[in-house]
Amino acid sequence: DTAVSQTPKYLVTQMGNDKSIKCEQNLGHDTMYWYKQDSKKFLKIMFSYNNKELIINETVPNRFSPKSPDKAHLNLHINSLELGDSAVYFCASSQPRLGYTFGSGTRLTVV
Amino acid sequence: TQLLEQSPQFLSIQEGENLTVYCNSSSVFSSLQWYRQEPGEGPVLLVTVVTGGEVKKLKRLTFQFGDARKDSSLHITAAQPGDTGLYLCAGAGPNTGNQFYFGTGTSLTVIP
Repeated sequence: DTAVSQTPKYLVTQMGNDKSIKCEQNLGHDTMYWYKQDSKKFLKIMFSYNNKELIINETVPNRFSPKSPDKAHLNLHINSLELGDSAVYFCASSQPRLGYTFGSGTRLTVV
Repeated sequence: TQLLEQSPQFLSIQEGENLTVYCNSSSVFSSLQWYRQEPGEGPVLLVTVVTGGEVKKLKRLTFQFGDARKDSSLHITAAQPGDTGLYLCAGAGPNTGNQFYFGTGTSLTVIP
């Protein structure tokens, strides 16, 4: 059973399109996250949700909008995609003071 | 400026050698974690350290949290090809709103 699953695994799209990445966790964790990993492998937090409420919103363009319909899901919608949005996006979940469980990532390529 | 700097950034060694990866910051952390990430996968938690000076061992991996809780090291003894991957430290504390922020990463390649 996959603990944190995100789909799709790969996403290739043209500039200007709108796309969504879905994430689900079956661990019963209260907090979920979206991270962006750039070409230099740096992992930067984008958003954090605790029990469906936004608790962290780093400096991310407002073209990125997270949505948490329930505690087990945190989806990421991206409007008007740009070349610079190409990266690997990771969903993760955790309980307070415990380690993160990451999904296997979504490689987004904007052409 | 990154909150957590790791060194070296890249490391390529022969199987059987020992190595140490460093994670440094000017901030104090209440908790520090180490992760390993393999290609095409997400990071996987290896260890969490919370006490200054704490040492934890995981088979051939030894993790140490600095006395001042500003830095950490990961030592691998007799590296094996299966140790290849990206090693990431992550710290949480008052400066991070108690959320974990990741280091710059160390890419390790162990050559058979």
